[in-house]
Amino acid sequence: AQSVTQPDIHITVSEGASLELRCNYSYGATPYLFWYVQSPGQGLQLLLKYFSGDTLVQGIKGFEAEFKRSQSSFNLRKPSVHWSDAAEYFCAVGPNNAGNMLTFGGGTRLMVKP
Amino acid sequence: DAGVTQSPTHLIKTRGQQVTLRCSPKSGHDTVSWYQQALGQGPQFIFQYYEEEERQRGNFPDRFSGHQFPNYSSELNVNALLLGDSALYLCASSLGTGAASPLHFGNGTRLTVT
Repeated sequence: AQSVTQPDIHITVSEGASLELRCNYSYGATPYLFWYVQSPGQGLQLLLKYFSGDTLVQGIKGFEAEFKRSQSSFNLRKPSVHWSDAAEYFCAVGPNNAGNMLTFGGGTRLMVKP
Repeated sequence: DAGVTQSPTHLIKTRGQQVTLRCSPKSGHDTVSWYQQALGQGPQFIFQYYEEEERQRGNFPDRFSGHQFPNYSSELNVNALLLGDSALYLCASSLGTGAASPLHFGNGTRLTVT
């Protein structure tokens, strides 16, 4: 069975500082990987996705993520955080051969200090 | 272009009652998936509907059932409500069920069971 672990429940960074959110997955083959963001009272918005090819993927809002097969990781990064980035971030894994239902991690809540 | 819309936004029910949640997919989408997001957790896959049939199902009891209509909209029904059913219920739509078909989420229905 596939699973996703986000080790950091809360992270606080200063505005303008760099950000890295960790994600580790368990899956028998190379999965499809996703990062979503959820603002309070909102649904989930897709930031970026990895299916195959270049292991560094670019997303919206200046985010990027790197797939590392050897570490079973798909960490999300941003070089300079803005106050509007404060939200909950979810990593998710989907099967690459059997539909598009996703398994989500528990999420990381990002707080941004002025 | 309307995105995924869900109704109602909030709902309060009593233990043992039944509830119906509704979802209209994004224009052009034909597949609807439902997720349950308990407080402080990531979303969990309930089931997916395509061509008016349940195609995939997560680890949820039979008290959770659904329906998809010819216009692709969908309902989620939960019978014999338990306190533990209190959660944000998210609907996601996609074009097809393929692994590479991204999910577009609505803002959810917040269900409180007292």
